[in-house]
Amino acid sequence: EAGVTQFPSHSVIEKGQTVTLRCDPISGHDNLYWYRRVMGKEIKFLLHFVKESKQDESGMPNNRFLAERTGGTYSTLKVQPAELEDSGVYFCASSQAGRWISYEQYFGPGTRLTVT
Amino acid sequence: TQLLEQSPQFLSIQEGENLTVYCNSSSVFSSLQWYRQEPGEGPVLLVTVVTGGEVKKLKRLTFQFGDARKDSSLHITAAQPGDTGLYLCAGELNAGGTSYGKLTFGQGTILTVHP
Repeated sequence: EAGVTQFPSHSVIEKGQTVTLRCDPISGHDNLYWYRRVMGKEIKFLLHFVKESKQDESGMPNNRFLAERTGGTYSTLKVQPAELEDSGVYFCASSQAGRWISYEQYFGPGTRLTVT
Repeated sequence: TQLLEQSPQFLSIQEGENLTVYCNSSSVFSSLQWYRQEPGEGPVLLVTVVTGGEVKKLKRLTFQFGDARKDSSLHITAAQPGDTGLYLCAGELNAGGTSYGKLTFGQGTILTVHP
């Protein structure tokens, strides 16, 4: 069974540009999470999808970040326009269905974003 | 403000030594997890503890959840070079609420075991 995949693995963009990160969860996993690790800091929660709905987006830094999960399968995280402080590693994780219950999250390898 | 304080941040030891990594908080967690992360990969779950005072063992690794569910520790006995890596603790607050699955991470401990 394929694990969580993320694309691209690395992205280097200039300040002000737009970048879209993609996450493909494990097939059948309704829960999809986005996390981010900024250099020198801990991994922080960004948001949680249940199927195509945003369950919790309390960790989204600001309105330059837009996450979507059309059809409840893969998800995209767009940063527009990118700022220097957006640099970091963005992780996606998925877990099986189970409303109000937490199951093991499987993490993707992450996308390393560098904004110059 | 760091919700989960993990220590030490770096640990360099010789093969065969024992070590303990700590994760502390002033908040109560409904569960606490330990992950290991290799370079270029995402965190991989090692164990989940949910009951105060719970102790779980995974070969040479022993995980403990504090009685008050505010702290946890990871103890490795007779460390081997293959144990080298980044270890992360992560906790979940308010299980059963609308933010289920939302993990709060510690900063991580980079462990190096020298042959």
